[in-house]
Amino acid sequence: EAQVTQNPRYLITVTGKKLTVTCSQNMNHEYMSWYRQDPGLGLRQIYYSMNVEVTDKGDVPEGYKVSRKEKRNFPLILESPSPNQTSLYFCASSLYPPSLALDGKRNTIYFGEGSWLTVV
Amino acid sequence: RKEVEQDPGPFNVPEGATVAFNCTYSNSASQSFFWYRQDCRKEPKLLMSVYSSGNEDGRFTAQLNRASQYISLLIRDSKLSDSATYLCVVNTIGGTSYGKLTFGQGTILTVHP
Repeated sequence: EAQVTQNPRYLITVTGKKLTVTCSQNMNHEYMSWYRQDPGLGLRQIYYSMNVEVTDKGDVPEGYKVSRKEKRNFPLILESPSPNQTSLYFCASSLYPPSLALDGKRNTIYFGEGSWLTVV
Repeated sequence: RKEVEQDPGPFNVPEGATVAFNCTYSNSASQSFFWYRQDCRKEPKLLMSVYSSGNEDGRFTAQLNRASQYISLLIRDSKLSDSATYLCVVNTIGGTSYGKLTFGQGTILTVHP
């Protein structure tokens, strides 16, 4: 079954304590990304990766790091979490980057189930 | 101005009703468009792509007006199971060669008996 798996699904942590949210996909997708979702703001992209060892900042990268050492894994790292990083996080993958998802060509984005993170 | 704007609702409609959602986007370089459905803060799932000529999938009809930079989703004969948040998603090329997906904040739909 095609899936994107995130862990942990729920986490309460304290300010400054480093944490990693893992993301793994089993579809051999090249493009992976992380989003955060906050009320009234929709999903905002944090980082994305075109392929192994190729990562780049999205719209809200401050306070986050990522790595792409293997094609299937794309962990999100919060080196020193702060309360404003309390959010719902989604990992996503697709076969192609958005630039190739042109009109009429399907490039389904698969999302993980989400990780609820609370920083106190 | 937000890149993708939706009326957040909520829309409360009875079963069987027809309901329409609108979405506007600000970047004329946007190239492809989608509607996603999200249940109770679960992961978003693709509902349908939006094609230039408009397209239909069962009770759902999507339309695109590039001149007005406007996308719509029409749901006919609403079911209780249609209750969800509907996300307008726009794919824009520019800034990065890989493109960028921009999500609207979502429109909440509640269908009641």
